[in-house]
Amino acid sequence: DIQMTQSPSSLSASVGDRVTITCRASQTISKYLNWYQHKAGEAPRLLIYATSSLQSGVPSRFSGSGSGTDFTLTISGLQPEDFAYYFCQQSYSTSWTFGQGTKVEFK
Amino acid sequence: QVTLKESGPALVKPTQTLTLTCTFSGFSLSTSGMGVSWIRQPPGKALEWLARIDWDDDKFYSTSLKTRLKISKDTSKNEVVLTMTNIDPVDTGTYYCARVHTTGNYPDYWGQGALVTASS
Repeated sequence: DIQMTQSPSSLSASVGDRVTITCRASQTISKYLNWYQHKAGEAPRLLIYATSSLQSGVPSRFSGSGSGTDFTLTISGLQPEDFAYYFCQQSYSTSWTFGQGTKVEFK
Repeated sequence: QVTLKESGPALVKPTQTLTLTCTFSGFSLSTSGMGVSWIRQPPGKALEWLARIDWDDDKFYSTSLKTRLKISKDTSKNEVVLTMTNIDPVDTGTYYCARVHTTGNYPDYWGQGALVTASS
């Protein structure tokens, strides 16, 4: 299986900050990397698919970049509702694998 | 509006069989390109993909769990059922179902998850 390494595992930030989360695949996955936001008690929410495509309804402060094995989720101008858990997922293979997740906490 | 909801027992004894149902609305599993996957998350661990069933009844399973899993669909009821045999305490976790666009192979809508505890 393709291993996904996500970092950091947690970070503290303030409203308005620019936040960057990275995900590294153990082999090339082309552009097949997706990002999700998850809040406790809610369904995970798709933010970005295919590395950089913004899911409908997701604010433009969320963006994704990368290719091959290294990928980044950026939140430009953190908002109070963005404090949550974020995880990446590779869809290069039918057998999906996920990053360990990043908890974005209030500083 | 696409919604999915997982249901099943909250507590299962070791060696028993776990049966989970995903009931969805807002799409049809008879539509070309649609699929439903099951994913789980043990406490404190990463998400783990389990299985997927497509609109054409193609089925895919996790290599490590394939001997214990069975996925099926009832298109008329908008349900997907996952059974997992020979439950062990390590199977404790939150189980999610999610809609999949088979061409893009990514889950775009998820359920809220169902917590299953495997314990005697």
